Amino acid sequence: EDKVVQSPLSLVVHEGDTVTLNCSYEVTNFRSLLWYKQEKKAPTFLFMLTSSGIEKKSGRLSSILDKKELFSILNITATQTGDSAVYLCAVESGSARQLTFGSGTQLTVLP
Amino acid sequence: DAGITQSPRHKVTETGTPVTLRCHQTENHRYMYWYRQDPGHGLRLIHYSYGVKDTDKGEVSDGYSVSRSKTEDFLLTLESATSSQTSVYFCAIRQGDYEKLFFGSGTQLSVL
Repeated sequence: EDKVVQSPLSLVVHEGDTVTLNCSYEVTNFRSLLWYKQEKKAPTFLFMLTSSGIEKKSGRLSSILDKKELFSILNITATQTGDSAVYLCAVESGSARQLTFGSGTQLTVLP
Repeated sequence: DAGITQSPRHKVTETGTPVTLRCHQTENHRYMYWYRQDPGHGLRLIHYSYGVKDTDKGEVSDGYSVSRSKTEDFLLTLESATSSQTSVYFCAIRQGDYEKLFFGSGTQLSVL
């Protein structure tokens, strides 16, 4: 059974702090790893990673994948209150490319 | 929003009644998915479809059925709703074979 584990489950920081969110996985037929941000409603896409060691960046957010050690990290620098959300990690596998999600990390950024 | 519409947005129903949730897309995408989201469990796959009349089960398919009689619509049916099916249901589409999933706005279902 495919499994995705995220840590920590929740995190409270102050504006300006840097955070690192973790995602480890055990899946068969790995295709890619994705990060989503979920505020009130639908998850919104952040990154898709398929190759080890290549960092994806978007503004203050960045992510990297290690396919040998089966994990990924999501970094957020200079956090803002608008970064408060649940961050979801998902791994894509199988012929229909279905996603298996972790439970998410609830990030709260205080002013 | 990648042209995905879920209906209804909210529904309250009673145990034992049938319920159908609809996911509608406007962009002719092949893959469609139904997920449910519950506290502590993240999103879990219920069923998915890879074409008209082509569907398969996901991780938590018991108590659910789906149908896809045309490309744009993917229906999720709870034949006899139970309180354990109280959840937020998300539909998702994949824009291309190697593209990420985009999610609909969700349906909040409460089974009393």
